[in-house]
Amino acid sequence: DTAVSQTPKYLVTQMGNDKSIKCEQNLGHDTMYWYKQDSKKFLKIMFSYNNKELIINETVPNRFSPKSPDKAHLNLHINSLELGDSAVYFCASSQDSAGGRRQEQFFGPGTRLTVL
Amino acid sequence: KQEVTQIPAALSVPEGENLVLNCSFTDSAIYNLQWFRQDPGKGLTSLLLIQSSQREQTSGRLNASLDKSSGRSTLYIAASQPGDSATYLCAVRPSSDYKLSFGAGTTVTVRA
Repeated sequence: DTAVSQTPKYLVTQMGNDKSIKCEQNLGHDTMYWYKQDSKKFLKIMFSYNNKELIINETVPNRFSPKSPDKAHLNLHINSLELGDSAVYFCASSQDSAGGRRQEQFFGPGTRLTVL
Repeated sequence: KQEVTQIPAALSVPEGENLVLNCSFTDSAIYNLQWFRQDPGKGLTSLLLIQSSQREQTSGRLNASLDKSSGRSTLYIAASQPGDSATYLCAVRPSSDYKLSFGAGTTVTVRA
């Protein structure tokens, strides 16, 4: 059983298109995240939702919009894709804010986005 | 702003040797520190999480230490194996929010 899953695994698209990446976790966690890993392998937080409420919104272009239909899902929609959006996008989840071991974050396999 | 540095950027050792990976961070007001492993083209696998009140955590051949006051953590991997070849990332969570700040990673190659 995959704990945190993402679809698609690879996404190749033209500049200007709109695309979505889906994430689902079956761990019963309350908090979900989107990270971007650029070509230099740096991982940076983009968004986080706790119980469907947005709690982290880093300085990303407003072409990126997260949507959390329920606690187990956090999707990322990207409008008007640009060349610089090419990267690997990781979804992650953790239990809740109560601390302890439950703060451990679990990551999905990543979605490699290539914008041509 | 929290900055996380990992040195060295790459490490190559013969099988059987112990590995020592270093992570340093600039702001000691952390909630926890997490070590991950990333295989090429794959996601991140959580290895160890150390709470700010702890000095170390152990799991099998892995041992991670934390010295919050000096802003350092070290990951020790005993008796390395070729299967340990991967990139190891450390990430720090501040006391004030949920964000993890990641280092750039140390890429380890264990030669058979």
